[in-house]
Formats: sequence, structure tokens, C-alpha cells
Amino acid sequence: AQRVTQPEKLLSVFKGAPVELKCNYSYSGSPELFWYVQYSRQRLQLLLRHISRESIKGFTADLNKGETSFHLKKPFAQEEDSAMYYCALSSGGGADGLTFGKGTHLIIQP
Amino acid sequence: DTAVSQTPKYLVTQMGNDKSIKCEQNLGHDTMYWYKQDSKKFLKIMFSYNNKELIINETVPNRFSPKSPDKAHLNLHINSLELGDSAVYFCASSTRGAGNEQFFGPGTRLTVL
Repeated sequence: AQRVTQPEKLLSVFKGAPVELKCNYSYSGSPELFWYVQYSRQRLQLLLRHISRESIKGFTADLNKGETSFHLKKPFAQEEDSAMYYCALSSGGGADGLTFGKGTHLIIQP
Repeated sequence: DTAVSQTPKYLVTQMGNDKSIKCEQNLGHDTMYWYKQDSKKFLKIMFSYNNKELIINETVPNRFSPKSPDKAHLNLHINSLELGDSAVYFCASSTRGAGNEQFFGPGTRLTVL
């Protein structure tokens, strides 16, 4: 069975500090990995996906198949980054929906 | 607005009742989903559906049933509501394919008393 693990329930960093949200996955095939974000009082939205290899709002994530990880990073945190972040995995052609990690609540302190 | 919408936003009801949550998307997507977010903010897939197949997460009780009158709608019916059904339910849609972005609705907060 596939699984996504986010070990940190809560992560608090100061503005301007680097941020790394950890994500590890377990899946026997070739997964598609995503980071979704939920800002306060807003709906869940896609932040980035590994197939795009892009940087969104300064965030990047690299898929490391050897370590089965997809950590989210940003070199300099901003207060508006405070939100709930979910790592997610898609498989089976997408028909099974997304398997989410338990989420990490990121708080950026001024 | 181009989006995924859900009604109602809040639903408070008594144990044992039957209720429905509606979901509509005007994005032209062919696949829709229902997710449950529990009190600890954990999101779990309940169903995924397109016009050809329904995939049910095996952990979902059969009191829950999705119904799709057309491609743009996937409603969630819940029979004999229990206290443990209290959660936020999210609808989502996408085009078919594992790497495709899912677009989420605003959620429906269900409280069972």
C-alpha cells in the first residue's frame, strides 16, 4: 500500500530563515508527487508537482527516488508562507485519487 | 467564476439522519473526487469517479454513496449519520492522469450531534 509521511506536525521558523518541510513516501511503482497548500480560510491548492520541476513562490522540491523523499524547501521564509502544507502522491493513472501525508503546519514568525 | 463549488458550507444534523452534500465543477474535468478531512486535519480519499468507473476507498462505510447526475456534478449522500462522520468534506476535480492537478472545493463542515 502506498503511504506518505510528513514527520513534522508543526514547524515554526523566523522570517528570512530557510525552510524545509520533509516528506517521505512508500510506493512500489513510479509515483507522481505533489505539494498542496491550504492558507487560512482558503481552499486547498496545488503548490508544485515534481514533474514540472519549477519553483513556485520561491519553493522547490526535488524527488529523490533513492531516499523516497520529496522535501519542500525555500531559502528565505516570508510571513505569507504561513499555512498548512500537504505532501501527496498519485498513482494508478490518477484514478485512485491522492494519498496525502498528515500535513505540516508552517508558522513564520516575524 | 471557474471553480469547484460545494453546498452547503456548513451542515449540522442529528445522529441517524440522512444528508447530502452537492458538488459542481465548471472546469470541464472528467474526474471528480471526495475527500474527508478529520479533526486532526488528515485528508483521506473516499471516492474517485469519472463517467466510466467509480473507485471506492475500501475503508469508507457503505452508508456513504456518491451520485453523479452528469459529468459536472458528484454529490455525496450519507445515510444514518454517526458522530464519527463529523468532519470537513472536500470535493475535487481533475482531468484524468496521475500527474494532473486536482482543483478543490471550499469544503463542507459536517457536524453530527
